[in-house]
Amino acid sequence: AQKITQTQPGMFVQGKEAVTLDCTYDTSDPSYGLFWYKQPSSGEMIFLIYQGSYDQQNATEGRYSLNFQKARKSANLVISASQLGDSAMYFCAMREKTNTGNQFYFGTGTSLTVIP
Amino acid sequence: NAGVTQTPKFQVLKTGQSMTLQCAQDMNHEYMSWYRQDPGMGLRLIHYSVGAGITDQGEVPNGYNVSRSTTEDFPLRLLSAAPSQTSVYFCASSSVEEPGPTYEQYFGPGTRLTVT
Repeated sequence: AQKITQTQPGMFVQGKEAVTLDCTYDTSDPSYGLFWYKQPSSGEMIFLIYQGSYDQQNATEGRYSLNFQKARKSANLVISASQLGDSAMYFCAMREKTNTGNQFYFGTGTSLTVIP
Repeated sequence: NAGVTQTPKFQVLKTGQSMTLQCAQDMNHEYMSWYRQDPGMGLRLIHYSVGAGITDQGEVPNGYNVSRSTTEDFPLRLLSAAPSQTSVYFCASSSVEEPGPTYEQYFGPGTRLTVT
């Protein structure tokens, strides 16, 4: 089974609107972590937000929030008030513990285009 | 702080050649990892290390070797390059101290490798 699933290959959003990028995960590790990264066309990976499996509240970082539904194993990214600079690939990732450390898994990404 | 640096930025190899991709970080992070990014596949973990002298395999380790003799450096060796190894390679590092967002991975700028 896929560890991280992103079912939206491409999304469009009107500028100033909010958009939700979907992510579901699969793990048996009770102390996992979930991340979202942004990759603009320049190629660098930019960390956006983190949610720990034991965190009671949804993580927020400025215009980014993570809608964490633990029972449904989903960790959707919500971007509010979209801007042109938000156009990029977005990756959901999960960290789970192994005997020798942490292993990270990434989804296949969602390409977001913000329409002026 | 330079963060995570990778060299070279671009490389073209012929099938069968070997080479080493360099990665260094100056944040005293214990955890370092190598990923490859292929179109439509997201990032896939090749190898990772939780400290000097300790390495382990990720999802796609075949054809690659790593070693970690210092905290700062984590080189990735391609033993006999194949066209299937054409990809963009990212190195990343993070602290392993708990809890919370210190698990964030900091990524290098990537190396674009083409094997002909």
